[in-house]
Amino acid sequence: DAGVIQSPRHEVTEMGQEVTLRCKPISGHDYLFWYRQTMMRGLELLIYFNNNVPIDDSGMPEDRFSAKMPNASFSTLKIQPSEPRDSAVYFCASSFSITRDIRFQPQHFGDGTRLSIL
Amino acid sequence: KQEVTQIPAALSVPEGENLVLNCSFTDSAIYNLQWFRQDPGKGLTSLLLIQSSQREQTSGRLNASLDKSSGRSTLYIAASQPGDSATYLCAVRIQGAQKLVFGQGTRLTINP
Repeated sequence: DAGVIQSPRHEVTEMGQEVTLRCKPISGHDYLFWYRQTMMRGLELLIYFNNNVPIDDSGMPEDRFSAKMPNASFSTLKIQPSEPRDSAVYFCASSFSITRDIRFQPQHFGDGTRLSIL
Repeated sequence: KQEVTQIPAALSVPEGENLVLNCSFTDSAIYNLQWFRQDPGKGLTSLLLIQSSQREQTSGRLNASLDKSSGRSTLYIAASQPGDSATYLCAVRIQGAQKLVFGQGTRLTINP
C-alpha cells in the first residue's frame, strides 16, 4: 500500500515567487494535515482537512499561505509571495477519523518537501 | 495550551546499551501519544502509539510507556544498534481535536 506522497521533494526558488506543494494522502484516509518543520520551532500544524473540508487553519502563519483539497486524493499548499523565512520542510500526513476507528489510528507522514527561498 | 518537552535534546551511547528517552506533556486530556522516528532528510515513521487508556506498547526492541496522570512517557530501546541512530519525536493528540502537538525531539547517536 502506497504511503503519503509529496511533491516536489526539494524546491529552491527566489523570494516573491509562488510556491505550490502537493500531497496525495493514503487511500481511504479522511483526514489530511499540513505541518511545517524548522530548527527553531520544531514541527507545527498549519492546517488540517476532514473529508476535503478545512477544519482548523489557525496554524497558517499569514495570508500568504493557502491550502486546498479539491478531492479526497489531492491537496495543495500554496505560498504567494514567498519569503526567505518560509524556508522549512513541509510535511503532509493523513489518518482515519477517530470516530470511525476506536483504535485511534496514527498519523502517517510523507517524506516532506524541503523548501528554500533565496 | 498543551506543551510537549523531550529530554535530553541529544544523546550519544555505545552500541549494545539499553536506553530511555523521555517525553513530558502539560495537559493530561489526550487521546493518545505517538512516538516517531525521523532520519535525516526523511519524513516521520510511526513507531508506537499508546492510547490514553493504555500503560504501554511494545514493538520488537522498543517499549513505550504512558503515565497520563503525571504527563510522562518513556521510550525504552533495548540492545541499541547503530541503525537506531535518528531523531525520536513524541507527539500527543489533544482530546476533542485531531491535532498532534510535537516535542522538539531527541537526537540519538549509537556509536559502534
